[in-house]
Amino acid sequence: ELVLTQSPGTLSLSPGEGATLSCRASQSVTNNYLAWYQQKPGQAPRLLIYDVFNRATGIPDRFSGSGSGADFTLTISRLEPEDFGVYYCQEYGRSPYTFGQGTKLESK
Amino acid sequence: QVQLVQSGAEVKKPGASVKLSCKASGYTFTDYSMHWVRQAPGQRPEWMGWINPANGNTKYSERFPVRVTITRDTSATTAYMELSSLRSEDTALYYCARAGSWSGWFDYWGQGALVTVSS
Repeated sequence: ELVLTQSPGTLSLSPGEGATLSCRASQSVTNNYLAWYQQKPGQAPRLLIYDVFNRATGIPDRFSGSGSGADFTLTISRLEPEDFGVYYCQEYGRSPYTFGQGTKLESK
Repeated sequence: QVQLVQSGAEVKKPGASVKLSCKASGYTFTDYSMHWVRQAPGQRPEWMGWINPANGNTKYSERFPVRVTITRDTSATTAYMELSSLRSEDTALYYCARAGSWSGWFDYWGQGALVTVSS
C-alpha cells in the first residue's frame, strides 16, 4: 500500500502570504494520479486539484499543483481568509486509494 | 446541479451491520463511478471502494476484506454501502463521492452519515 506523508503538520500564516504544502509518497505515484482537497470543520472534503496540476471547476488560480514521481506540492499564492482549513493529498493510481494525514493551515 | 444526499445517522452494536444510501441527482447516474470514503474523528479520509453504476461492477479496498458491499439501484439513482461485523473502530463519518472522468478523484461528495458503533 502506498503511503502519503504530508508536511508540515501545521502551517501558521497570515492572509496575503503564500503557502507551500508538501506531499511525499512511499513509492512513485502511477500516472501522476494525485489530487488535493481542502476540508473545513463539519464539511466534506472539497476537490482543488487533480492529476497533479489540474484545477477543479471553480477553483481560483491562486491554487496550483506541481510535482512528479513521489514528490508533490500544493501552492497557494496569496492566502484569502477562506483558505484556512485542513488540506489532504490523495493518490488514486493503485488500490487502495490513500490519503495523506493532512496539513492544517491556520491563521496567524 | 449535482447533489448526493445520504441517509441519516445510525447507531449500531458491535457485530451488527449497517446499510447506508446515497441518492444522486443532477447528472446521469450511470455516467460516473460512485465511491465510498469514511473518516474517523480527527483522522484522514479512508477509501472503501467503488461501483460502476452502469453494470454494477465493484472494487473494494483490501483493508475491508469481505466486510463491505456496494450496490446500486439505477431506477432510483441510488448507491448503497453495507458494512458488516461492525466494531468500535468503524465509528466514523461515511461519505459517498462521485469520481470525475472514471478516475479516482472525487468532485462531488455527499453530506456524510455518522455511524456510531457502541455496546
